[in-house]
Amino acid sequence: QVQLQESGPGLVKPSETQSLTCGVSGYSISSGYYWGWIRQPPGKGLEWIASIHHSGKTYYNPSLKSRVAISVDASKNQFSLKLSSMSAADTAVYYCARQAEGDAGGFFDSWGQGTLVTVSS
Amino acid sequence: DIQMTQSPSTLSASVGDRVIITCRASQSIKSWLAWYQQKPGKAPNLLIYKASSLQSGVPSRFSGSGSGTEFTLTISSLQPDDFATYYCQQYSSYSGVTFGPGTKVDIK
Repeated sequence: QVQLQESGPGLVKPSETQSLTCGVSGYSISSGYYWGWIRQPPGKGLEWIASIHHSGKTYYNPSLKSRVAISVDASKNQFSLKLSSMSAADTAVYYCARQAEGDAGGFFDSWGQGTLVTVSS
Repeated sequence: DIQMTQSPSTLSASVGDRVIITCRASQSIKSWLAWYQQKPGKAPNLLIYKASSLQSGVPSRFSGSGSGTEFTLTISSLQPDDFATYYCQQYSSYSGVTFGPGTKVDIK
């Protein structure tokens, strides 16, 4: 059974770049699927950030695209997210998730537990 | 991008009630719709995909229907474990995944 685990600093200063990593166990990233990041500000709804295919193909939320970079390291079976120019509006729980491959887009069938990132000086 | 709405935003119900949550898309997404359940402090859990396909391990009291722009999630007999927030998600393209704002189901 696939398991995902987010890691990274829980506190980021305004204007800095946040870096998060998602370690995957129980499934090889190289075997398929897309791998994505979703965030949830405290008390609010879900927002998709970005997704990456094991082949390296990437997709970004247009509203965040200028500040986001997603990458995959198949040798370590993990993928990562960088979000630059952080502000208080980026304070949220960040989830990594496995995203199904399909004819159109994909739903998220396995999720990490989430990690809270707070932006504060 | 495609906007998703859900109604109601909050729903008060009792154990054993039949519960229906509606999700609407701003344009046709065919059947590219998923439903998730989220409990406080936990990650969302996939219930339904492709509008009506039940994810493995999800109780059969959950069902989904619809296509195009209007979709429903039905819980046939609400159980104590079902009090949670429910989100729909459209996935008509990888570059434009969006979630609905959520429906909170609480105890009447």
